[in-house]
Amino acid sequence: GAGVSQSPRYKVAKRGQDVALRCDPISGHVSLFWYQQALGQGPEFLTYFQNEAQLDKSGLPSDRFFAERPEGSVSTLKIQRTQQEDSAVYLCASSAGRGIGIGNQPQHFGDGTRLSIL
Amino acid sequence: AQSVTQLDSQVPVFEEAPVELRCNYSSSVSVYLFWYVQYPNQGLQLLLKYLSGSTLVKGINGFEAEFNKSQTSFHLRKPSVHISDTAEYFCAVMRAGGFKTIFGAGTRLFVKA
Repeated sequence: GAGVSQSPRYKVAKRGQDVALRCDPISGHVSLFWYQQALGQGPEFLTYFQNEAQLDKSGLPSDRFFAERPEGSVSTLKIQRTQQEDSAVYLCASSAGRGIGIGNQPQHFGDGTRLSIL
Repeated sequence: AQSVTQLDSQVPVFEEAPVELRCNYSSSVSVYLFWYVQYPNQGLQLLLKYLSGSTLVKGINGFEAEFNKSQTSFHLRKPSVHISDTAEYFCAVMRAGGFKTIFGAGTRLFVKA
């Protein structure tokens, strides 16, 4: 069955360029999460959407990071003026859960986008 | 705020031996606890979760974990490992009723023949 799809799988960009990472969640999933996973570390929360509403963006490292989910389905994570410290794997996850029930439903992860900034 | 500490960065073990991956958490409120597995170049897959009720939780692939509130631990166990269990394992915590998941740094399980 269709899982969470992320594209591109790999992205190489020069420092200072803008990048856009796409996430196609499982159809019908209300909740969508973005995580950043540095090499050898666990994922770190970036932001959370419930449908099209961005309910939490407290994990975004700087104002160069921007995420959107305009129609409550596909989401895009944009990084402006990339820096070398932005190099990481960016994971997207979706869940059928919402609100206080979100813990009852598993998060389904995509395979991630590996971003390398030269 | 919640935090998670995985006490071992790497655990080598022989095939068919038992294994325990240790996890301690910190929180001033009730939490949900999770274990995820990550194979190379893939996303995370949920192994098991503790929300409430029985403190012994059984998951997929023969794994189980025990929630110990007094010791703030949620250790993952498997009685007999296979080569295919070689992967990175992440313990995670979520505030009960919240949505932000906090992950540990991971434990690399390496199963040797």
